[in-house]
Amino acid sequence: DSGVTQTPKHLITATGQRVTLRCSPRSGDLSVYWYQQSLDQGLQFLIQYYNGEERAKGNILERFSAQQFPDLHSELNLSSLELGDSALYFCASSAGGGPKDYGYTFGSGTRLTVV
Amino acid sequence: AQTVTQSQPEMSVQEAETVTLSCTYDTSESNYYLFWYKQPPSRQMILVIRQEAYKQQNATENRFSVNFQKAAKSFSLKISDSQLGDTAMYFCAFTLLGNTPLVFGKGTRLSVIA
Repeated sequence: DSGVTQTPKHLITATGQRVTLRCSPRSGDLSVYWYQQSLDQGLQFLIQYYNGEERAKGNILERFSAQQFPDLHSELNLSSLELGDSALYFCASSAGGGPKDYGYTFGSGTRLTVV
Repeated sequence: AQTVTQSQPEMSVQEAETVTLSCTYDTSESNYYLFWYKQPPSRQMILVIRQEAYKQQNATENRFSVNFQKAAKSFSLKISDSQLGDTAMYFCAFTLLGNTPLVFGKGTRLSVIA
């Protein structure tokens, strides 16, 4: 157990629907990062939050949004889902505003399948 | 923008042998961190080793070591005494100091053969 909890582990939904992925960071970590990993691809950075505020944004689609709550858990909302959104979505956390100390700690991911 | 390139999509190695995975990166900055992550079939991302750019000494973690060539912007991973459990995707990653997200390469799929 890495200490980063992602729910649900698997999600199957239809095109056009909306889903919410949840992440609880490791205890004491203030930063949360979201990554998308499509089949046999590398990890694409989506967005970072630090202590409740957006810190950095990657190639995140306008249909996607995220937030970090006062208890530091984060949610990634994906709407108007398309087949191409099927992927493994990772959440990671780090102690400070960046991974310079020990790198990220990753959750086990949410496998999203859009049918 | 920083980029990370892993030129070997797939590699294989015999059990107990040594294998080296290549990684190059592009940046104009002088201070940064480099990482190797392992992703086994379970899909969990596991930190293998990290290197601070300001340190000349190559990092080592048990059977894993790196060859960091700053001038060449190269950061290879050497796995000694390969074990079946080393079979996984290996990702090289880069980040600048100052709280920027990790940038990942596309990965190298390593198979350890008995």
